[in-house]
This record gives sequence, structure tokens and C-alpha cells, in this order.
Amino acid sequence: EAGVVQSPRYKIIEKKQPVAFWCNPISGHNTLYWYLQNLGQGPELLIRYENEEAVDDSQLPKDRFSAERLKGVDSTLKIQPAELGDSAVYLCASSLGRVSGGVSYNEQFFGPGTRLTVL
Amino acid sequence: GENVEQHPSTLSVQEGDSAVIKCTYSDSASNYFPWYKQELGKGPQLIIDIRSNVGEKKDQRIAVTLNKTAKHFSLHITETQPEDSAVYFCAASMVAGGSNYKLTFGKGTLLTVNP
Repeated sequence: EAGVVQSPRYKIIEKKQPVAFWCNPISGHNTLYWYLQNLGQGPELLIRYENEEAVDDSQLPKDRFSAERLKGVDSTLKIQPAELGDSAVYLCASSLGRVSGGVSYNEQFFGPGTRLTVL
Repeated sequence: GENVEQHPSTLSVQEGDSAVIKCTYSDSASNYFPWYKQELGKGPQLIIDIRSNVGEKKDQRIAVTLNKTAKHFSLHITETQPEDSAVYFCAASMVAGGSNYKLTFGKGTLLTVNP
């Protein structure tokens, strides 16, 4: 079974340029997360989707960041314009969401991340 | 909101020794505590998790303990091997009604196992 897929793996851009990251979650996972990971820190949640709905975007800087998950499957995170401080790794994760029957619905599976460098 | 503190930030052990990483959390409503291992250039990988209705869980060389009263939980790795070298993150979350809530991560512990 394929894991969470992210692209690109690396991106270098000039400040004030736009950038977009793509994530394809594990098949059947209803919940999708975007995390930001600064160097030497743990991941911090930016936004969480339940199917197509963004149910928690309180940590997303909405002046420059946007995200979408139009068909409830893959998702795109965009930054426009990028700033020097946006340099970080952007992680996507997915989980099953509401299930029953003893299946671990809490487990979040992470992709490899996109390392963004803003010059 | 939830705050998770993790110690130590770095840990160096000899192969075969045990390693212990400790975390504390602030929100008494948190009821799910996973531990992730992150290798260089990769995303975090879940290695073990524990829910608040149990005090200890073990999976081969890895164990996690939880003290709800003191609001702290620990990761124990026995018989460490060089391939255990990585950054380990603890996290806390409140899960209710089958829904996921956000994970709050600690800052990580860089574990180095020396051959």
C-alpha cells in the first residue's frame, strides 16, 4: 500500500514568489493534515480537513497561506507571497477519521515532506 | 491550548543500553499519546501510542508509560541498536467521539546510539 505522497520534495524560491505543495493521502483516509516543521522543532498543525471540509484552520496564516481539498482526496497548500521566514519543511499527514470496529482511528501517517527554502 | 514539554533534547547511549525520553503535557483532557521516530529527510513515523485508559504498553524493545495524575509519559527503548538513532517526538491529543483532534508535539529528542 502506498503511503502519503508529497511533491515536490524540495523547492527553492525567491522571496515574494508564490509556491504550492501537493499531497495525496493514503487511499480511504478521510482526514488530511498539513503541518509546518521548523528546524529542530516538532511539527505544528496548519490545517485539518475532514473530507472536503477544513475543520481546523486556526493556525493557518490566512493573509498568505491557502489550502484546498476539492474532492476530498488530494490537497494543495499554497503560499503567496513567500517570505524568508517560511523556509521550513511542510508535512502532510492523513488518518482514517471516524471508524469503528477496533481500528485505530487516531494514527496519523506522515508523508516525507517538502523542504522549502526562500532566498 | 495543549503544551508538551520533552526532555532531554539530545541523548547519547552505547549500543545495548537503554534509552528513556520523558514528556509532560498540560491539558488534562488529552487522552491519546503517540510517539514518532523521524529519520533524516523523512516524515515522522509512528512507533507506539498509548491511550489514557492504560498505564503502560509494550511492543518488543519499545515501551511507553503514562501517569495521568502527574500528566507525564515516557518512552523506553531497551537493547538499543545503531538503527534506533533518530529524532523522537512525543505528542498529545484529545480524541472524542471517533474524531481526530490536532496533535501537539514536543520539540524532539535526538537519540544517538554509538556502536
